[in-house]
Amino acid sequence: GQQLNQSPQSMFIQEGEDVSMNCTSSSIFNTWLWYKQDPGEGPVLLIALYKAGELTSNGRLTAQFGITRKDSFLNISASIPSDVGIYFCAAYNAGNNRKLIWGLGTSLAVNP
Amino acid sequence: EADIYQTPRYLVIGTGKKITLECSQTMGHDKMYWYQQDPGMELHLIHYSYGVNSTEKGDLSSESTVSRIRTEHFPLTLESARPSHTSQYLCASRPGQGSSGANVLTFGAGSRLTVL
Repeated sequence: GQQLNQSPQSMFIQEGEDVSMNCTSSSIFNTWLWYKQDPGEGPVLLIALYKAGELTSNGRLTAQFGITRKDSFLNISASIPSDVGIYFCAAYNAGNNRKLIWGLGTSLAVNP
Repeated sequence: EADIYQTPRYLVIGTGKKITLECSQTMGHDKMYWYQQDPGMELHLIHYSYGVNSTEKGDLSSESTVSRIRTEHFPLTLESARPSHTSQYLCASRPGQGSSGANVLTFGAGSRLTVL
């Protein structure tokens, strides 16, 4: 079946550092979504990407829809303690808009 | 602000009990979903609905059942809970095709179920 390979699986960084994570696949997708999940809560949407090559920012967060439509990355600049959580990528199959495929998540820890 | 509500947030019950996890959304979304997630792990789709009286099973087999009698309400039921059902259950919804943000799922805060 379709898979999203999300990396890294976990990160432990110092406050102020920049963070980069990505999702790749052998399949083509027409929408990429990035979510953040705090412990004990539901995922919250950070950024949605709809076009190949699209680069979108949300505050200190920047995400890009890969030009091949098979990958996406999320960058966080100048990390702060409240960035701690699990970040998930998710994408809709280009051929079937009904199914949302999820990455396994990147767990981020920030040392103040 | 969350427009999708799940109750209870936390539930601890004994084996064999029947439980219902409630999910309601006030956004008028046609499509609703239930995911199961163990702590820090990936999300597994267990049920979804594309409208009233429409329910389908997801990718992960589940002993739970769902119903969709009203657009805004999508409860999940376990007839006889077992320790293997211990998990977090997340409800989500999104608008239908052609609507603004049609591809974006909005999640509830989750219901954490512990079966002893």
